[in-house]
Parts: sequence; C-alpha cells; structure tokens
Amino acid sequence: DTTVKQNPRYKLARVGKPVNLICSQTMNHDTMYWYQKKPNQAPKLLLFYYDKILNREADTFEKFQSSRPNNSFCSLYIGSAGLEYSAMYLCASSRVDTEVFFGKGTRLTVV
Amino acid sequence: DAKTTQPDSMESTEGETVHLPCSHATISGNEYIYWYRQVPLQGPEYVTHGLQQNTTNSMAFLAIASDRKSSTLILPHVSLRDAAVYHCILKRGGSAKLIFGEGTKLTVSS
Repeated sequence: DTTVKQNPRYKLARVGKPVNLICSQTMNHDTMYWYQKKPNQAPKLLLFYYDKILNREADTFEKFQSSRPNNSFCSLYIGSAGLEYSAMYLCASSRVDTEVFFGKGTRLTVV
Repeated sequence: DAKTTQPDSMESTEGETVHLPCSHATISGNEYIYWYRQVPLQGPEYVTHGLQQNTTNSMAFLAIASDRKSSTLILPHVSLRDAAVYHCILKRGGSAKLIFGEGTKLTVSS
C-alpha cells in the first residue's frame, strides 16, 4: 500500500478555534511532511519530521505545531485558526533519496 | 538549495510530444533533479528524477544536460490527463527537504 491517508478530507473551522489534522502511512517511511497549498500557488513546506526530529520552516515556526507519536502517524495542529489558514493541507512521506508520496489533502475552510 | 527556472505555461495538443524545460544554472554536485506534477484538488504526483544520466519510465523521459545546468522533461503522446502544473525541483542527496517552485502549467487541448 503506497498511499498516504489524510483525515478528514474536508474540515470547517471557526476563527479562533483549534484545528487538528491527521495523516498516516504504512510504508515505514522515515520522513513525513506537511505542506500548505493555496489556489494558484505552489505547495509551501510547513514542516517535516525525519524520524522523531521535527524541522520547521522559519516563517511557520510559531503558527503550526506537529506531533509524530509513532512512525506511521503525524498530525498538524493549529492552535487558533485565522481566515488566512484556509487552504489545502497536504501530508507526504518518503525515505531519504526516494520519491515523496503525497496524500489527497485536507481542505480547511476557516469562517 | 539552488533554484530552478521554468516557463509559466505551455500549450499542447493531444498526441504531441511535449518538452518542458528547466534551468538550474547553480546546481550543486549532490543535488538531484526531481519532477512532480499536480492537478487541482489533488496532491502532487511524482514523475521522475535523475542526477546525471538521462532517465526514462512509463510516464516520461528526463534529459539532463552534460553540464547539469538544465534539464528537459519529455512527455510522449500527451493526453488530456497530462494537463497539470509540472514542478522541477532540486533536492540535495541525503536531505529530506523538498521545496516547490511555481512550475509550468501545461494545457492540453483535444
């Protein structure tokens, strides 16, 4: 099974409320990623885990949290959603120096 | 990581062979050239990658210049399903980081 699963596919959140997105893979990949994708823009890397080590991009450092309780699961947490967080959130996984597999994404709408 | 330059858009007709160029003049010796494509409402899909030698798979042929400063993704006999944004990305060997640029939007008409 070479799929990356994301739940839910669609999520509606209120401004100021927390949001938690879930991702899983069963390919025993050491790296898991989270990207943010807005219309007509390239996917933007937010953070990635290499094994248990979290690497966050500089401009997303305080906006997004993440956890990886085991090799298969990874979550993305937004403590207080703002309108600007409305986007598609893509989870991906890989082994180093191999192709990166992407999930179908979670479309988050903040109102 | 070194940057890539791609045309914003290209147009093609079904059945044609499409050549998508990518310039990476400051590529380092340990950077791989990856190609991904993405259609709206779906996650990016891996197309191919290479280091120095040309590569081929069921989806595409990747031609890499001998000085590695440019590459071309060749899509034979495109169909409507090949319409997508194609991203050329440089990724350092041993690094997990994968950074997308704007890519080339390929339009395929019937």
